[in-house]
Amino acid sequence: QVQLVESGGGVVQPGRSLRLSCAASGFTFSLYAMHWVRQAPGKGLEWVAVLSHDAVNKYFADSVRGRFTMSRDNSTNTVYLQMNSLRPEDTALYYCARGGKGPDWLDPQSHWGQGALVTVSS
Amino acid sequence: EIVMTQSPATLSVSPGERVTLSCRASQSVSSNLAWYQQKPGQAPRLLIYRASTKATGIPARFSASGSGTDFTLTISSLQSEDFAIYYCQQGNNWPLFTFGPGTKVDIK
Repeated sequence: QVQLVESGGGVVQPGRSLRLSCAASGFTFSLYAMHWVRQAPGKGLEWVAVLSHDAVNKYFADSVRGRFTMSRDNSTNTVYLQMNSLRPEDTALYYCARGGKGPDWLDPQSHWGQGALVTVSS
Repeated sequence: EIVMTQSPATLSVSPGERVTLSCRASQSVSSNLAWYQQKPGQAPRLLIYRASTKATGIPARFSASGSGTDFTLTISSLQSEDFAIYYCQQGNNWPLFTFGPGTKVDIK
């Protein structure tokens, strides 16, 4: 079965960096786009970024573009979210989610991890 | 910039009742609309994609319809495990993958 396990969350000061990882299993990782979606405490869902299966295409939400980058390693079935210049408003539970396959890479997020909590505070 | 709205914000329902949730987009999203269910302390679960197609394992009591700007999610007979927050999400226009604010379905 599809499993997504996030790691790397923690408490970080404003302006600092953090990298989240998401380890995938149970499917052919190299065929699927991957997403990051976040949820601030007590709030709704906010999509953050998507990366195509081959890492050629990527999109970011306006709120994180220029500060966050996304990468993947298809040899280890891992996707990453590098978060730089963190702000208090980036505090959230960050979910890794599987996207679409191949040319349907912009399909919705079909499987989700349990999330990694990032707290940005001085 | 596209904006997604959902109504009502909260719905108080008794088990066994029929429930209809609404989602509206500020501009057409064609059929690129998904619905998710999120229970407290859990990750979201994809229920519906392409406006009306059920995701794998979703019970028959869930159905959805709509295209363009107006969409509905219907639960034909609410079960205890259906009390949750329901989000719609568009995947057609920028900003991509915009979520609605959610509808909370709670026990009457």
